[in-house]
Amino acid sequence: EADIYQTPRYLVIGTGKKITLECSQTMGHDKMYWYQQDPGMELHLIHYSYGVNSTEKGDLSSESTVSRIRTEHFPLTLESARPSHTSQYLCASSYAGGLYNEQFFGPGTRLTVL
Amino acid sequence: GQQVMQIPQYQHVQEGEDFTTYCNSSTTLSNIQWYKQRPGGHPVFLIQLVKSGEVKKQKRLTFQFGEAKKNSSLHITATQTTDVGTYFCAGPEYGNKLVFGAGTILRVKS
Repeated sequence: EADIYQTPRYLVIGTGKKITLECSQTMGHDKMYWYQQDPGMELHLIHYSYGVNSTEKGDLSSESTVSRIRTEHFPLTLESARPSHTSQYLCASSYAGGLYNEQFFGPGTRLTVL
Repeated sequence: GQQVMQIPQYQHVQEGEDFTTYCNSSTTLSNIQWYKQRPGGHPVFLIQLVKSGEVKKQKRLTFQFGEAKKNSSLHITATQTTDVGTYFCAGPEYGNKLVFGAGTILRVKS
């Protein structure tokens, strides 16, 4: 079944730890995105990718990094987590061509940094 | 850069009452999308409007795109508890990115 997956769903870690949030999609989409969202607040784009080996920073400055080695996989890494990184991280993907470019979101990862 | 403003920020209605959220863009949009995010969930695509003055309906939800393609609205008739959540509008930016509004949180009292 075509879908978009994120793991872990919940993560509680200590300050200074390195973490990687996983995102995979089976829809064959070229474009993928990472958003950061605090509870009840707006979505902030932090990274996006147009395809393999293509990554760009989004509108919100983030200390995280991303990679896109395979079409279906778009992991996000924090080298040294801090309490200010506590938030929900949402991964999304969309079809590259045409006028209709709705984004499909994964279930999100809720990150808490102590 | 492009800005998408959404009002109200929050609305609390009695079940059965109507609800409307408004979206305004600083620039003309080629299209506008609406998403719904249930509490604790992730945004889910509802609809995309493309044509000037377009009106689309999904059961009790009515979506409108302004004549100038700079504003849009979502109207829910006779709200139900299942309508609870945050409704986001989003306009496209270059490269298939979306600029999301801040969202309208809808709470329904039964």
